[in-house]
Amino acid sequence: RKEVEQDPGPFNVPEGATVAFNCTYSNSASQSFFWYRQDCRKEPKLLMSVYSSGNEDGRFTAQLNRASQYISLLIRDSKLSDSATYLCVVNRQAGTALIFGKGTTLSVSS
Amino acid sequence: NAGVTQTPKFRVLKTGQSMTLLCAQDMNHEYMYWYRQDPGMGLRLIHYSVGEGTTAKGEVPDGYNVSRLKKQNFLLGLESAAPSQTSVYFCASSYSPPSGIYNEQFFGPGTRLTVL
Repeated sequence: RKEVEQDPGPFNVPEGATVAFNCTYSNSASQSFFWYRQDCRKEPKLLMSVYSSGNEDGRFTAQLNRASQYISLLIRDSKLSDSATYLCVVNRQAGTALIFGKGTTLSVSS
Repeated sequence: NAGVTQTPKFRVLKTGQSMTLLCAQDMNHEYMYWYRQDPGMGLRLIHYSVGEGTTAKGEVPDGYNVSRLKKQNFLLGLESAAPSQTSVYFCASSYSPPSGIYNEQFFGPGTRLTVL
């Protein structure tokens, strides 16, 4: 099983739609979880951290399920500007570096 | 603040040539990283540094060397470039250690390297 797995998509949705991405991780000792956003030919940027209790930032909601070892990202009321690749990021274990998933591509159309 | 900058933005090398990629950050971050990103592979860590004068191997270190002589700079060297090193290279820095719960890595704009 790969350390971090994501459905590559693409997810093609109309403006205003709600879309959800899932990501699974293999190391049960992982402690840190993040979603990064990467626009085409640009650098990744942190979208949000994922906390155990789940967290929300405007139209974005992140959830963590430790028992099943997956994290999710929900985007409500999609905008054209949400079109990007979303990277799931997990730390391998305490003291070591982050592991990036290959990303899920979202395309929002009008 | 410029954040994280990378030099050069583009480069074409011939097999066997050497080059150094420069990363600079002005955020006084202790931690710095070099990644490569290839289609279908995602970001993979090459080397990282937890402070001035220290470096450590990441997931794919072979064929690369690094140095962190100054806190703000992290250099990535290719001693003898190979076509397999054609990639986009991203440098990143962070205030917190990689395992930190609130760790956020700030990335540079990337260097697109082609090895012929």
